[in-house]
Amino acid sequence: AQSVTQLDSQVPVFEEAPVELRCNYSSSVSVYLFWYVQYPNQGLQLLLKYLSGSTLVKGINGFEAEFNKSQTSFHLRKPSVHISDTAEYFCAVSKWGGATNKLIFGTGTLLAVQP
Amino acid sequence: DTAVSQTPKYLVTQMGNDKSIKCEQNLGHDTMYWYKQDSKKFLKIMFSYNNKELIINETVPNRFSPKSPDKAHLNLHINSLELGDSAVYFCASSPPGSTAPLNEQFFGPGTRLTVL
Repeated sequence: AQSVTQLDSQVPVFEEAPVELRCNYSSSVSVYLFWYVQYPNQGLQLLLKYLSGSTLVKGINGFEAEFNKSQTSFHLRKPSVHISDTAEYFCAVSKWGGATNKLIFGTGTLLAVQP
Repeated sequence: DTAVSQTPKYLVTQMGNDKSIKCEQNLGHDTMYWYKQDSKKFLKIMFSYNNKELIINETVPNRFSPKSPDKAHLNLHINSLELGDSAVYFCASSPPGSTAPLNEQFFGPGTRLTVL
C-alpha cells in the first residue's frame, strides 16, 4: 500500500532563511509525487510534481524538491523564505485506481515564517 | 475565470439535517473528486467520478451520496448530518486520459461544514 509521512507538523523559520520540509513515502510500485500548498482559508494549489527523469524538480514560488529513491524521500526546499510562504504544505503520492488518479496525502506541515 | 468552484463556502446546520454542497468545473476535465479535510488538516479522498461514472468510493457512510448530472458538476448530498461530519470538503478535478496518474488535480476553495 502506498503512504506518505510528513515528519514535521510545524516548521517555524525566520524570513529569508532556508527551509526544508520533509516527506517520505512508501510504495511497491512506480511513484508519482506531488507537493501542494494550502494558504489560509483557501484550496490546495500544486507547487511541483515528480513523474520521472531528473530527480531535482523545480516548482512555483522558488520551491524545489529532490526525489531520492534509495531514501524514499521527496523533501521540499526553498533557499530563502518570505512571510507570504506561510501556509500548510502537503506531500502526496498518486495511486492509479484503474480509471482515475487517487492522491494519498501526508498529514501536512505548517510553515510559519516569522519576521 | 476557469476554475473549480464550490457553493456554499460556509454551511452551518443542526444534527440530523440533510444538506448539499455543489461543485462545478469549467476546465473541461472528465474526472472529479470529493475530499474531506478534518480539524487536524488531514485530507482524505471520499469519491471520484470519471465522466459521470463513480470510480472511487472510499468506505464513506451511505449518508453521503455524490451525484454527477454531467461531467462538469459533482454535487455531494449528506443525509442525517452528524457532529463528526464537521470538516472542510474540497472538490477537485483532473484531466482524463492514459496519463491520468501523472495529472495535477485542481482544487476548489472548499466548503466549511459545521454541524451543531
